[in-house]
Amino acid sequence: GAGVSQSPRYKVAKRGQDVALRCDPISGHVSLFWYQQALGQGPEFLTYFQNEAQLDKSGLPSDRFFAERPEGSVSTLKIQRTQQEDSAVYLCASSLGTGASTDTQYFGPGTRLTVL
Amino acid sequence: KQEVTQIPAALSVPEGENLVLNCSFTDSAIYNLQWFRQDPGKGLTSLLLIQSSQREQTSGRLNASLDKSSGRSTLYIAASQPGDSATYLCALKGMDSSYKLIFGSGTRLLVRP
Repeated sequence: GAGVSQSPRYKVAKRGQDVALRCDPISGHVSLFWYQQALGQGPEFLTYFQNEAQLDKSGLPSDRFFAERPEGSVSTLKIQRTQQEDSAVYLCASSLGTGASTDTQYFGPGTRLTVL
Repeated sequence: KQEVTQIPAALSVPEGENLVLNCSFTDSAIYNLQWFRQDPGKGLTSLLLIQSSQREQTSGRLNASLDKSSGRSTLYIAASQPGDSATYLCALKGMDSSYKLIFGSGTRLLVRP
């Protein structure tokens, strides 16, 4: 079966542009997560969806970041008016369950965003 | 606020050596701790998961231990191989959130042939 896929794999944006990053979770997975990984750092939590409901967006760095999962499957992370500090790898993960501590998160390959 | 630290940041060893990667955390109220492997351009691969009630987990040449009281975990790799070269991340779930993984910054491992 297919794992978590993300597109595009690489994105170069000029400062001030808007970008949209897509995540296709494993089919049937209820929970979906976005993480941001800066160069040389570990991933940091951005937001969590259970089906179409965004239950936690506490990690989003600013109101320029917006995530949605309208049909409870594919998710899009949108960054408006990109800044150089937004340059990072954006990782998506999904899990079968509803966010229990025992749920295993499966990660996609990430989208590397470079803002010039 | 929970903080996760990994030492060393980078490690280079000759093939065949046994090695230990370290992970420390500041708050012992955790559900579990997990070790991941990250290869360039690829997602994270889970290696071992230790529940808070467990002391260690083993898979092949890998052994992970957990000491909650001291806020430490170690990943032991036996008889290292060049294919083990990757970044190793530890991550935990704190009891303030059952779903949020909190990561260390990783150890970049290079195993020289």
